[in-house]
Amino acid sequence: EIVLTQSPATLSLSPGERATLSCRASESVSSQLAWYQQRPGQAPRLLIYDASNRATGIPARFSGSGSGTDFTLTISSLESEDFAVYYCQQRKNWPIFTFGPGTKVDIK
Amino acid sequence: EVQLVQSGAEVKKPGESLKISCKGFGYSFSTSWIAWVRQMPGKGLEYMGIVYPDDSDAKYSPSFEGHVSISADRSISTAYLQWNSLKASDTAMYYCARLVGSGKRTGRYFFDYWGQGTLITVSS
Repeated sequence: EIVLTQSPATLSLSPGERATLSCRASESVSSQLAWYQQRPGQAPRLLIYDASNRATGIPARFSGSGSGTDFTLTISSLESEDFAVYYCQQRKNWPIFTFGPGTKVDIK
Repeated sequence: EVQLVQSGAEVKKPGESLKISCKGFGYSFSTSWIAWVRQMPGKGLEYMGIVYPDDSDAKYSPSFEGHVSISADRSISTAYLQWNSLKASDTAMYYCARLVGSGKRTGRYFFDYWGQGTLITVSS
C-alpha cells in the first residue's frame, strides 16, 4: 500500500505570503496525484489533478508540480479564503485510492 | 449543474443498522463511479470504496471491506452506504464524491464533485 506523507502538518502564514506544501509518496505514483482544499465545515474541493493541472474554476495562484514521489502545491499569494486544510491523493492501484494526512494553512 | 445531494444527519445507537444515500443531479449518474469517504471528527479523509451505478459493481478499501456495504440504484440516480451493526467508532462525517470520467474503465482517479456530507453519530 502506498503511503502519502504531507509536510508540514501546519503552516502559519499571513495573507499575501507564499505557501509551499509538500506531499511525498512511499513509491512512485508517476504524475497521478491530486490536491484538494477543505475549508472548515465544507466538503473537499478539487484543486489540482495529474500533479499540475488546475481544476475548472481554480484561481491561477494555485499551482502544482512534481512527479514520481515528490509533489508540491504552491499558493503564490494567500487570500483569506485560502486558509484551509489541503490534502493530496493518489491512485497507484486503481480503485484503491489514498489521501495524505493533510496540511493546515492557518493565519499567522 | 452537477450536484450530489446526501441524506440528512443521523443519531443511532451501537448495534443499529443504517443506510445513507447520495443522489446525483445534472449528469448521467449511471456511467460515473461514486465513492464514499469518511472523515472522523478532527481527522483527515479516508477512502472507503466505490460503486459503478450502471451495474452496481462495488469495490472496497481493505480497511473497510466487510464493515460496510456500498450499492446503487441507477433508476433513481442514488448511491448508498450501509452498516448492519454500527459502532461508536463509526461516528464521523461521510461524503460521497464523483470520480472524474465516464465509463466503467475510466482509469481516472480524482473526484470532481462532492456531496455536502452526512454526519453520523453513534452513541448509547
